[in-house]
Amino acid sequence: RKEVEQDPGPFNVPEGATVAFNCTYSNSASQSFFWYRQDCRKEPKLLMSVYSSGNEDGRFTAQLNRASQYISLLIRDSKLSDSATYLCVVNTGNQFYFGTGTSLTVIP
Amino acid sequence: DTGVSQDPRHKITKRGQNVTFRCDPISEHNRLYWYRQTLGQGPEFLTYFQNEAQLEKSRLLSDRFSAERPKGSFSTLEIQRTEQGDSAMYLCASSLAGGPSNEQFFGPGTRLTVL
Repeated sequence: RKEVEQDPGPFNVPEGATVAFNCTYSNSASQSFFWYRQDCRKEPKLLMSVYSSGNEDGRFTAQLNRASQYISLLIRDSKLSDSATYLCVVNTGNQFYFGTGTSLTVIP
Repeated sequence: DTGVSQDPRHKITKRGQNVTFRCDPISEHNRLYWYRQTLGQGPEFLTYFQNEAQLEKSRLLSDRFSAERPKGSFSTLEIQRTEQGDSAMYLCASSLAGGPSNEQFFGPGTRLTVL
């Protein structure tokens, strides 16, 4: 079983739409959680950490459900510049496990 | 630029040759990670250093792969007797132990093509 499972998409949404990505993880001992954004042929860049109480950064909201071992990312009012691959990342011990990424294309 | 840097950015080599990549982390970061990423996949963990000590190695890291971080600053990843299956993007990341929630910062990667 993979450490982190993500729906690869692709998600194609119109500008202004709200889109949600989900991710599940297998190890209940995992301690830190993140969403990274990766543009085509570029390195991953941290979008936001995910805290147990949920957290928001502008149009982006991240949530963590430890009981269900589930992480989500909500993007409101999608912009063309949001088009990218979004990677769910789980830190367990000294290792970081990445999902395969979810591809998002925002259409004009 | 105070971010993570990697060199070279691209490497094309023939099967059977040895290659070495370098990573310079953010200067105050004591943790350094190597990952491999292939098309359509997320980065896969290879190995991790805290200061100069290599604390963890993935099962993916065969005996042809070796990594060092001799002075606890820059790191090198060497692949001996390269195979076509080694073609991938090799990413380095650094973080600060005890920093805000273990955030990692990635370098631009070295893209390896084995012919």
